[in-house]
Formats: sequence, structure tokens, C-alpha cells
Amino acid sequence: GENVEQHPSTLSVQEGDSAVIKCTYSDSASNYFPWYKQELGKGPQLIIDIRSNVGEKKDQRIAVTLNKTAKHFSLHITETQPEDSAVYFCAPGKGGGADGLTFGKGTHLIIQP
Amino acid sequence: NAGVTQTPKFQVLKTGQSMTLQCAQDMNHNSMYWYRQDPGMGLRLIYYSASEGTTDKGEVPNGYNVSRLNKREFSLRLESAAPSQTSVYFCASSEYREDTQYFGPGTRLTVL
Repeated sequence: GENVEQHPSTLSVQEGDSAVIKCTYSDSASNYFPWYKQELGKGPQLIIDIRSNVGEKKDQRIAVTLNKTAKHFSLHITETQPEDSAVYFCAPGKGGGADGLTFGKGTHLIIQP
Repeated sequence: NAGVTQTPKFQVLKTGQSMTLQCAQDMNHNSMYWYRQDPGMGLRLIYYSASEGTTDKGEVPNGYNVSRLNKREFSLRLESAAPSQTSVYFCASSEYREDTQYFGPGTRLTVL
């Protein structure tokens, strides 16, 4: 099955700085690369995703970049704000997550005021 | 639209008791999923239903059964609860198998 590793496990940044979280995966057949945000006491919520025919996607302050050759993709958050504090999960999958997603263990992002 | 709803929000069971976790979605989605979340483990897929009338095992199906009651509802049953099943359970749905998954708020289950 898919082996997913996410780094770092905890990331603390000053408000206004940028944050980058990296996800590596093992299955070369993976073709769907989403990032989820989970706030305390809530379910995960999709914030951005990318498919394998695209190298980068941006949505306001967040972006995802994909390197299929090296089998990793990254989440970039610029101009971080207090509401960005949460746990972030990558969840690569095949067929757009047809048979469910394989989640990384999560990155706890802390925004320092 | 309520999206994905789950009941109950919290539950405490004794070892050996049974219970059913309920999930419903009002987005007319075809596919539904059950995950469990344990500290430091991310989310792991228990069972999924690609479409009404079908169910398949995920990564950690042992000790669980599911029923896709209709297009809206997908339930998860623990026949004889064990302490190892203490976890937070999330239901999710997607329009088709290839689409974005939307998650419910979760059920926090403790088995004593």
C-alpha cells in the first residue's frame, strides 16, 4: 500500500511569515494530491488539491507544488495569520481518491503572534 | 445544506457492547467512507461504499461492519467493542469516486 510521510510534525512560525509542509509518497500510480486542514474538534476540510497533470496550483495565500519524479508535494502558506493555526494533512490517492485516501500523520502548524 | 452529519457526537461503551454509528449526507453524493483517527496516526480508512449497494474493506476493517442503507446513509457497526477501538470516527462522502471528499464532524468513542 501507499506509504506517506509528512514533515515536519510541528511547525511554529511568526505571524506574517511563510510556512511550508512537505509530503512524500511511495506509490508512483498516485495521481491526486490534496491537502486538508483540521481545526480542533472538527473534521478535516479540503483546502487545496492538485492532479498529476499540473505542477503547481495557487489559491490566494495557499499553494501546492508537485514533483512527481521525486514523489513529493508541498503545501505553501504565505502571510500566515492566527486562523491558519491547525493540523494539516496530506492525503495522496489514485483515481482521485477512488478507494479512499491515505493520510499522512499530520503537521501541527502554530502561528506565533 | 447540512453536508455530512454524524450521530452520536460522543459515546462511552463497555468492552463487549455493540453500537452503530450513523452518517448521512444531503449532497446527493454517490460514494461514502468511514475513517478512524488516532493520535499521531492520521486518518485510516475502515470501509467505503463507492456507490449505493456496494461496500468494500479499507485499511483497518477488522471488528467493524457497515451498511449502505440508501444513497444518503452509511452506518458503521461495532458488534463487540474493544478498548483498541477507542478513537474518533469520521464519515466522508464524495460525488463520485474520483472527487473531493467532504468530512463530517466526527464521533468520539471511548471503550472501557
